[in-house]
Amino acid sequence: AQTVTQSQPEMSVQEAETVTLSCTYDTSENNYYLFWYKQPPSRQMILVIRQEAYKQQNATENRFSVNFQKAAKSFSLKISDSQLGDTAMYFCASISNFGNEKLTFGTGTRLTIIP
Amino acid sequence: DTGVSQDPRHKITKRGQNVTFRCDPISEHNRLYWYRQTLGQGPEFLTYFQNEAQLEKSRLLSDRFSAERPKGSFSTLEIQRTEQGDSAMYLCASSSRGRSGELFFGEGSRLTVL
Repeated sequence: AQTVTQSQPEMSVQEAETVTLSCTYDTSENNYYLFWYKQPPSRQMILVIRQEAYKQQNATENRFSVNFQKAAKSFSLKISDSQLGDTAMYFCASISNFGNEKLTFGTGTRLTIIP
Repeated sequence: DTGVSQDPRHKITKRGQNVTFRCDPISEHNRLYWYRQTLGQGPEFLTYFQNEAQLEKSRLLSDRFSAERPKGSFSTLEIQRTEQGDSAMYLCASSSRGRSGELFFGEGSRLTVL
């Protein structure tokens, strides 16, 4: 079984600053994927970034990047030059790579970007 | 294609009534998922279809819940004899083969059981 833990229920940061959201996970699998999803207020959840566990290189998508520490089972999300539109719930999630289609989500971090 | 659509967006019902939610996935996606999200929690997996076949069901999906995906297109999630504990947001998502975990979500159907 996989578990995902997000220990920061809420965070806030000034616009244009950088913020890092934390996530730890536990799995017995060797091959798995990790994700960050964003859920803006009253809007649908969207995928922000994806990381394959077998890749050592950290994934990046424009202003979003991850710090993947496999040994520590840590997967943090860094948002650079934060924008008002980044205000949302952010969920860390994992899935194993053996035909298991069940995403396991953390409890989320509510991020507020302050103008 | 405008993405995953869900209907209704909001449903208020009395305890003991039956409710049905519909999900229309992105047309070229063969995989469809249902998740449940309660306040302050992340989404919890309920069930998953590949085309018309229901391949996995969570223990959360009691015998009062049933999901179908006839002809591998839209899907319905029915809850019979609703209970107050069923109050939640029911999220539908779809994905294409080979992209495990990369889900496209709908806006959800919020259920309130009085």
